[in-house]
Amino acid sequence: SQKIEQNSEALNIQEGKTATLTCNYTNYSPAYLQWYRQDPGRGPVFLLLIRENEKEKRKERLKVTFDTTLKQSLFHITASQPADSATYLCALALYSGNTPLVFGKGTRLSVIA
Amino acid sequence: DTAVSQTPKYLVTQMGNDKSIKCEQNLGHDTMYWYKQDSKKFLKIMFSYNNKELIINETVPNRFSPKSPDKAHLNLHINSLELGDSAVYFCASSQDRAGSGGSPLHFGNGTRLTVT
Repeated sequence: SQKIEQNSEALNIQEGKTATLTCNYTNYSPAYLQWYRQDPGRGPVFLLLIRENEKEKRKERLKVTFDTTLKQSLFHITASQPADSATYLCALALYSGNTPLVFGKGTRLSVIA
Repeated sequence: DTAVSQTPKYLVTQMGNDKSIKCEQNLGHDTMYWYKQDSKKFLKIMFSYNNKELIINETVPNRFSPKSPDKAHLNLHINSLELGDSAVYFCASSQDRAGSGGSPLHFGNGTRLTVT
């Protein structure tokens, strides 16, 4: 069966360090992968998209990698700040135009000052 | 300006009642969605509409009925509420059809439904 796993439910990290979050999937051939941030009591907010033919994408302090051989995406936040504390969700989309985004359960990141 | 707004934010009701959640987007998007986030935090697609046409209808009890009067609105009506319906319901929109083009989803801030 198809599965998306974000292998840490919670991750604590010291301010200033790089946070690395993992998204693994099985039995999918995704066309692209998206990362979202969700704060308590709010809806998810889109951060980055990476396509299957791209290895890496960057946006300010954020970096996403996509390895279709390992079936894995890594999400990095460099120079992390307490304001980065939130839950981060990965989501996969297949090629079909009517296939919805499928979300992982998320990793709750806490950046400690 | 709120891009995707849903009302109410909180809804507390008793089993057996019928309730509705409303959603509006001012982004000019063609596609709208309802997602359910349960206590374990999984976000699961329920429905998707493209230009008022239902294009995704996941395995959802038929007590749940979406209605799209126009492409800027997608409401969710729930009949005969059950305890297991307690969750946070998110409305979202995107420029493209679900899964195509990579358009990001824009979410509302959710409606927390509690069935007692």
